[in-house]
Amino acid sequence: DADVTQTPRNRITKTGKRIMLECSQTKGHDRMYWYRQDPGLGLRLIYYSFDVKDINKGEISDGYSVSRQAQAKFSLSLESAIPNQTALYFCATNPGLAGSNEQFFGPGTRLTVL
Amino acid sequence: SQQGEEDPQALSIQEGENATMNCSYKTSINNLQWYRQNSGRGLVHLILIRSNEREKHSGRLRVTLDTSKKSSSLLITASRAADTASYFCATEGYQKVTFGTGTKLQVIP
Repeated sequence: DADVTQTPRNRITKTGKRIMLECSQTKGHDRMYWYRQDPGLGLRLIYYSFDVKDINKGEISDGYSVSRQAQAKFSLSLESAIPNQTALYFCATNPGLAGSNEQFFGPGTRLTVL
Repeated sequence: SQQGEEDPQALSIQEGENATMNCSYKTSINNLQWYRQNSGRGLVHLILIRSNEREKHSGRLRVTLDTSKKSSSLLITASRAADTASYFCATEGYQKVTFGTGTKLQVIP
């Protein structure tokens, strides 16, 4: 869905490097999420934000930080990347309206930490 | 820990057959959703069933929900090769959606 974009799509980096993954959306949704996907583990929630001033830790926030620069932008940072952060990262949005629970996903960023 | 667990982990069927995937979860939910993921791509929402609903249909998809057993099933009828993908259940509780580990479906032409 082109309404939620992620950059970069692929990234290879070295242990200890700082990495930022960016997510932008044109859907006008208030809620944004960052997930990571590992084989056999499904998607795990890293951080989520319900509006620009709201940031919440998810299931696996250690080693990550986020910034909600605007309603449309939600960035995920790895301050000092480590190999076990190698994964597929997804951003998702949700309008946050009653009865509207569908999440809209970006195409993903494949991150490899050597 | 994961809220939803899908069963089976992998399923291989012939085109035209029906595919059934099951999801079990642990705590009370507001609704349960099913998503599809083509290899390496983002998830796409398929269908949502609310906690007060027992069955829901959408095209070739049929979803059931049994809150007493904390389980749901997704049935894809008359499968097609294009249905080959991973399927995830997702439960919504307080404020956020939690995804299961997924069922990998292969439909053989």
